[in-house]
Amino acid sequence: AQSVTQLDSQVPVFEEAPVELRCNYSSSVSVYLFWYVQYPNQGLQLLLKYLSGSTLVKGINGFEAEFNKSQTSFHLRKPSVHISDTAEYFCAVTYTGTASKLTFGTGTRLQVTL
Amino acid sequence: GAGVSQSPRYKVAKRGQDVALRCDPISGHVSLFWYQQALGQGPEFLTYFQNEAQLDKSGLPSDRFFAERPEGSVSTLKIQRTQQEDSAVYLCASSSGPTGSSGNTIYFGEGSWLTVV
Repeated sequence: AQSVTQLDSQVPVFEEAPVELRCNYSSSVSVYLFWYVQYPNQGLQLLLKYLSGSTLVKGINGFEAEFNKSQTSFHLRKPSVHISDTAEYFCAVTYTGTASKLTFGTGTRLQVTL
Repeated sequence: GAGVSQSPRYKVAKRGQDVALRCDPISGHVSLFWYQQALGQGPEFLTYFQNEAQLDKSGLPSDRFFAERPEGSVSTLKIQRTQQEDSAVYLCASSSGPTGSSGNTIYFGEGSWLTVV
């Protein structure tokens, strides 16, 4: 069964500092990978997705992620965070070639302070 | 509206009560998903519809949970004889096609917050 590991439950960072949120997945087959953001009392919003092609994916709000097949990782990065980036971030995976549901990690709380 | 709409947003149910949660997907979206998100956790898959057909219900935790989408549009998630462990946010999501076949984006609603007391 596929699984997603987000090792960091919380990441505190100062405004304008860079940040990396880690995501590792377990799968022996081809996958699609996603990052979603969840603001308080809101639903999930797609930040970016990797389907195929270039391993560096750019998303909304200045975020990007790099797919590393050998390390089965899909880490999310932003060179300079803003207070408004404070939210919960979820990494998710789904198998290619299926109808498929997303399998989510447990989330990483990004807390940006002045 | 243009997004996935869910109602009610908040529901408090007494233990043993039946509840029904409604989802209005994005117009024209073929695929519809229900997820359960417990406090401090990531969403967990409950069930999947393609049009009116329920193709995967492997995530439903018990036979007290039932979902339907009779006309291939609006969906209802019903929980019978609610228990405290059912307290969670229930997220509905939709996409224009099967996610795995082409990486179609899944769009989520804001969720229905269920508290069982």
